[in-house]
Amino acid sequence: AQRVTQPEKLLSVFKGAPVELKCNYSYSGSPELFWYVQYSRQRLQLLLRHISRESIKGFTADLNKGETSFHLKKPFAQEEDSAMYYCAFQYSGGGADGLTFGKGTHLIIQP
Amino acid sequence: DGGITQSPKYLFRKEGQNVTLSCEQNLNHDAMYWYRQDPGQGLRLIYYSQIVNDFQKGDIAEGYSVSREKKESFPLTVTSAQKNPTAFYLCASSTRDRLNTEAFFGQGTRLTVV
Repeated sequence: AQRVTQPEKLLSVFKGAPVELKCNYSYSGSPELFWYVQYSRQRLQLLLRHISRESIKGFTADLNKGETSFHLKKPFAQEEDSAMYYCAFQYSGGGADGLTFGKGTHLIIQP
Repeated sequence: DGGITQSPKYLFRKEGQNVTLSCEQNLNHDAMYWYRQDPGQGLRLIYYSQIVNDFQKGDIAEGYSVSREKKESFPLTVTSAQKNPTAFYLCASSTRDRLNTEAFFGQGTRLTVV
């Protein structure tokens, strides 16, 4: 069963415009959710996690249990934000069962 | 220089042959994972290991095998039973600490069956 859904394969916005990358999950408990990013020719790396409630590179993501969503947002896009973004899910409760990833959204920031 | 290293970067295999992909980490992480990345498919979990001498099947384990004889190493063998082995393979590691479950990824190995 698909536990993480990213509905947009590709998202293109202009520099300075707001960005929202959508992520929905299917799990009735309390999940742990993450956003990972892969810049061109670089390794996949953690961008942020919901448990930290932090803002990284201007990006934020809020866990909405009612809507089972974890959308990634940035108010003003920059060209260096162009990358592949993956939403990832892990069952809560500790352990290391592996992350389940969405199919990814390719974000392109146009000048 | 701490990190997670995959080798080789590119690998070619003839049909019917087994091939082993290497993954080594010096981060002292207990957990290690293998993912397969295909265009439009995201990352799919093949196998994972939480501790030495123990590993579990992921979502697409058929045609693959692993071993975890050392904490630092988690090699993946793509067997001839894997029907569609051409893909990009990513190895990752993490701690088992619930409050710090960041996964660190290798650079990947691109396997092509010729």
